[in-house]
Amino acid sequence: EAQVTQNPRYLITVTGKKLTVTCSQNMNHEYMSWYRQDPGLGLRQIYYSMNVEVTDKGDVPEGYKVSRKEKRNFPLILESPSPNQTSLYFCASSPQALNTEAFFGQGTRLTVV
Amino acid sequence: DQQVKQNSPSLSVQEGRISILNCDYTNSMFDYFLWYKKYPAEGPTFLISISSIKDKNEDGRFTVFLNKSAKHLSLHIVPSQPGDSAVYFCAASDSGGSNYKLTFGKGTLLTVNP
Repeated sequence: EAQVTQNPRYLITVTGKKLTVTCSQNMNHEYMSWYRQDPGLGLRQIYYSMNVEVTDKGDVPEGYKVSRKEKRNFPLILESPSPNQTSLYFCASSPQALNTEAFFGQGTRLTVV
Repeated sequence: DQQVKQNSPSLSVQEGRISILNCDYTNSMFDYFLWYKKYPAEGPTFLISISSIKDKNEDGRFTVFLNKSAKHLSLHIVPSQPGDSAVYFCAASDSGGSNYKLTFGKGTLLTVNP
């Protein structure tokens, strides 16, 4: 089954404790991205990757890092989480960057206390 | 600066009737538009898309209309079913831009009443 898998689905952590949210897709897609969804703000792009070893900032990259060492994986790293990073996070992949649909993971609800 | 706007936070319709969800955009460089549906505790799922070279695209009960001069698109669902109850996001992209991303609206919660 074609899918985008995120882990964990739910996470509660404390301020400053580094964490990684994993994302994996099995569709051999080149393009992957991370979004966060906040009440009243819709989905906003954090980072994107056009292929292995190619990543770039989206609209709200502050406080996040990503890596793309393999085509299928695109982890999101929070080196020092803060309460304003409490949000619902979605990973997405698509076969190409433009004019195509994106497939989303089920989401990771992160709470930073 | 919100480039994609969904001005109706919610919409309620009766089963069997038409649902019309609206979306406005300000960036004239947007040339590809998508609608996503999102159920609680799930990721957004793709519904239908339209390129700026078209003004209408239809897929079963779902039709998207694009009015480029007004920078407006709408999603029509006919007939509406209770299973259509979800949050609907409008999204847009600029194929000529250097930042390859989808810009989303804030979403409209559609409730279809039996």
